[in-house]
Amino acid sequence: NAGVTQTPKFQVLKTGQSMTLQCAQDMNHEYMSWYRQDPGMGLRLIHYSVGAGITDQGEVPNGYNVSRSTTEDFPLRLLSAAPSQTSVYFCASSPPVTSGGPLSYNEQFFGPGTRLTVL
Amino acid sequence: AQKITQTQPGMFVQEKEAVTLDCTYDTSDPSYGLFWYKQPSSGEMIFLIYQGSYDQQNATEGRYSLNFQKARKSANLVISASQLGDSAMYFCAMREVSNTGNQFYFGTGTSLTVIP
Repeated sequence: NAGVTQTPKFQVLKTGQSMTLQCAQDMNHEYMSWYRQDPGMGLRLIHYSVGAGITDQGEVPNGYNVSRSTTEDFPLRLLSAAPSQTSVYFCASSPPVTSGGPLSYNEQFFGPGTRLTVL
Repeated sequence: AQKITQTQPGMFVQEKEAVTLDCTYDTSDPSYGLFWYKQPSSGEMIFLIYQGSYDQQNATEGRYSLNFQKARKSANLVISASQLGDSAMYFCAMREVSNTGNQFYFGTGTSLTVIP
């Protein structure tokens, strides 16, 4: 298994450009999410999805769009890049909360991250 | 209100000593999960340990243990016998599943430095 993959690893954009950060997982996880990590602020949730066709906003969704047409892929689109979107972006996936025995809130598996700079 | 609070931006520990990284959380849900992740300087996020809100025992994974005090809403990470390779950022996280969503919440992290 490749786990969670992200492309590209690094990207430089000019203000106003658009781009898509790719995320894919091969673990058949229903839950996928995007975070941005800024110094001193931890990881902040941008958008998440609990399954194909279902997405929802996180803490900092403005300026970003997502879609989930398949279980495997969860791309993040920057519509018009701004310097404030300079950050490291992580994609993550997780199995659903499982029951039937002890309730288990399964951990997230993270991709390697994309370092984005907007000039 | 912050869902996850980590009040120690930076910590130092002597090699081979134990260290406790603090984490408090805020939820009104009786059912949730708590996690700790390690982020070394290389940048990847590494899952360390998990505690379910209904788990009776504190979680342990090798040198990591989670000191879970439900009434105080705290989930401190204890690293025993610190090693130089433990120098990293550590993040506490919580997962909630409720009518309003299914989200993980992260704290701002604690930077741990192990001194030889």
